[in-house]
Amino acid sequence: KQEVTQIPAALSVPEGENLVLNCSFTDSAIYNLQWFRQDPGKGLTSLLLIQSSQREQTSGRLNASLDKSSGRSTLYIAASQPGDSATYLCASLGSGTYKYIFGTGTRLKVLA
Amino acid sequence: GAVVSQHPSWVICKSGTSVKIECRSLDFQATTMFWYRQFPKQSLMLMATSNEGSKATYEQGVEKDKFLINHASLTLSTLTVTSAHPEDSSFYICSARGAGIAKNIQYFGAGTRLSVL
Repeated sequence: KQEVTQIPAALSVPEGENLVLNCSFTDSAIYNLQWFRQDPGKGLTSLLLIQSSQREQTSGRLNASLDKSSGRSTLYIAASQPGDSATYLCASLGSGTYKYIFGTGTRLKVLA
Repeated sequence: GAVVSQHPSWVICKSGTSVKIECRSLDFQATTMFWYRQFPKQSLMLMATSNEGSKATYEQGVEKDKFLINHASLTLSTLTVTSAHPEDSSFYICSARGAGIAKNIQYFGAGTRLSVL
């Protein structure tokens, strides 16, 4: 059974700090990995999608990397702001199944 | 980018009633739709996969008679929670993959929060 794990489960940082969220996956042959943001009681907002052939993607203050061989992805958030407070989910798209498997999420709180 | 719309965004119902949730692809034909469920403070779990015009394929442990999925058109899939009970209270999210779109691209709806009293 393929699994996706996210560490840490929760993180609290002061405003302005750079931070890294980690995602590990067991399927080394994934098609892509996607990072989402979810605000309390809300749906998913796609942040970054990294195809299996790519090593990283950037959008504004966000940078996501992908290392298929080690089964890891990281989401780097630069100069964090209180508005970044949310739960961040990563999900891997499985080879052959085309089904997303979601991680357990990292609850981020950025303190003003 | 492609848009997937879910309706309603929030629904409250009495125990024993049935609730229908709609998932629509607004600017593409969704050949495959996926339904996920998210319990409080947990991650999303895939419930079922539906291909247009075919019966849905349910994941292990998901009751097909309780969660009825219909994907009768290329732009609409519905999830009906039959005889809902409080333990069915959850956040339900759909995603869609379309004709002419790479198989490894899915678009997610905003989700529907179901509260069963």
